[in-house]
Amino acid sequence: KAGVTQTPRYLIKTRGQQVTLSCSPISGHRSVSWYQQTPGQGLQFLFEYFSETQRNKGNFPGRFSGRQFSNSRSEMNVSTLELGDSALYLCASSLSPRGTDTQYFGPGTRLTVL
Amino acid sequence: QKEVEQNSGPLSVPEGAIASLNCTYSDRGSQSFFWYRQYSGKSPELIMSIYSNGDKEDGRFTAQLNKASQYVSLLIRDSQPSDSATYLCAVNMNTGNQFYFGTGTSLTVIP
Repeated sequence: KAGVTQTPRYLIKTRGQQVTLSCSPISGHRSVSWYQQTPGQGLQFLFEYFSETQRNKGNFPGRFSGRQFSNSRSEMNVSTLELGDSALYLCASSLSPRGTDTQYFGPGTRLTVL
Repeated sequence: QKEVEQNSGPLSVPEGAIASLNCTYSDRGSQSFFWYRQYSGKSPELIMSIYSNGDKEDGRFTAQLNKASQYVSLLIRDSQPSDSATYLCAVNMNTGNQFYFGTGTSLTVIP
């Protein structure tokens, strides 16, 4: 089975721009979660989608948004980029949203904001 | 207080020794606990999950959970240089997939 895939792998943007990141979960997985990883804060939960519905949202400003499509693929969008948004963005998929299933992480998208 | 706390390390152990990694969490109602390993430049990969008080063993790895003390640990026996990585503790504090991660403990196994 193919793992979680994320595109693009690397991205360089300037302040004020917006960016869209994509995640394709493992086949059959319907829950997709997004995390931001920075050296200082570690892994922080952004949001979770299941059946095209956002089920949980972390403590991030409204500039961070996401969606899930009917095939479980997910995108996240960050508008009006700030320098502090530079991070590794990780997507994780799991079979269900129960919280007991293993989350499998993708390779991440490294976003650099200049 | 952070939801999940780990000693950042670095923790260094000689090859063949036992490495002990610790994690505390704030929500007494937490039900699911996970240990992930992350090599430099890579994404986290699951080592173990634990849901009930006590010990759970998988090969060289043992996870220990004490809900009364809000404490979860990971023991790595016969540590190998390939175990050198950052170990992340993750706690699920609700019924969904919202996980809180510690900032990780960096482990170095010295040959």
